[in-house]
Amino acid sequence: DQQVKQNSPSLSVQEGRISILNCDYTNSMFDYFLWYKKYPAEGPTFLISISSIKDKNEDGRFTVFLNKSAKHLSLHIVPSQPGDSAVYFCAPTGGNMLTFGGGTRLMVKP
Amino acid sequence: GAGVSQSPRYKVAKRGQDVALRCDPISGHVSLFWYQQALGQGPEFLTYFQNEAQLDKSGLPSDRFFAERPEGSVSTLKIQRTQQEDSAVYLCASSLNAGDYTGELFFGEGSRLTVL
Repeated sequence: DQQVKQNSPSLSVQEGRISILNCDYTNSMFDYFLWYKKYPAEGPTFLISISSIKDKNEDGRFTVFLNKSAKHLSLHIVPSQPGDSAVYFCAPTGGNMLTFGGGTRLMVKP
Repeated sequence: GAGVSQSPRYKVAKRGQDVALRCDPISGHVSLFWYQQALGQGPEFLTYFQNEAQLDKSGLPSDRFFAERPEGSVSTLKIQRTQQEDSAVYLCASSLNAGDYTGELFFGEGSRLTVL
């Protein structure tokens, strides 16, 4: 039973446009939500996070939105750049460990 | 070192062999995690250490998997009698504080295990 789902395995976006990556979760105990980015042959690196007491957090080109009632969060990247091409993981937590979604592969075309 | 270091980067084992995967976390980091990432999937939690204490091993898939961190720094994940389904990338991550799950985890590059 997957607690965290990223229903789009891949997403292709033109450079300069907005990328929207979605994540749905079922565990109501999750109260902190992180996004990680992973390049091939590298470990995941932290990108941005949001606490359950907020509904939006912005950091430069990256914004995360949280809809607790829908148990849904999304990551917006605008404008998208070719260097953003990577796999993005949604990783909520309610305790010591992160629970990762399956990831979305983002491809930003020049 | 500056980051989390894992070795070996790649390991090919014959089914039934024992393997040991090593993780050197960032110096001074209290928390250490092991994750297993199968091809095309997200990382799945295996076990968690706070210093030398293994506080959570609920994610270990079978008793063939064993992890230790005897001195609260380097950790080893051991898999006995490897099976083909053990083929995955094993990721180690560390974080500075204990119980501070809002802090980011720093991941190593992973050890890719292939069991033939």
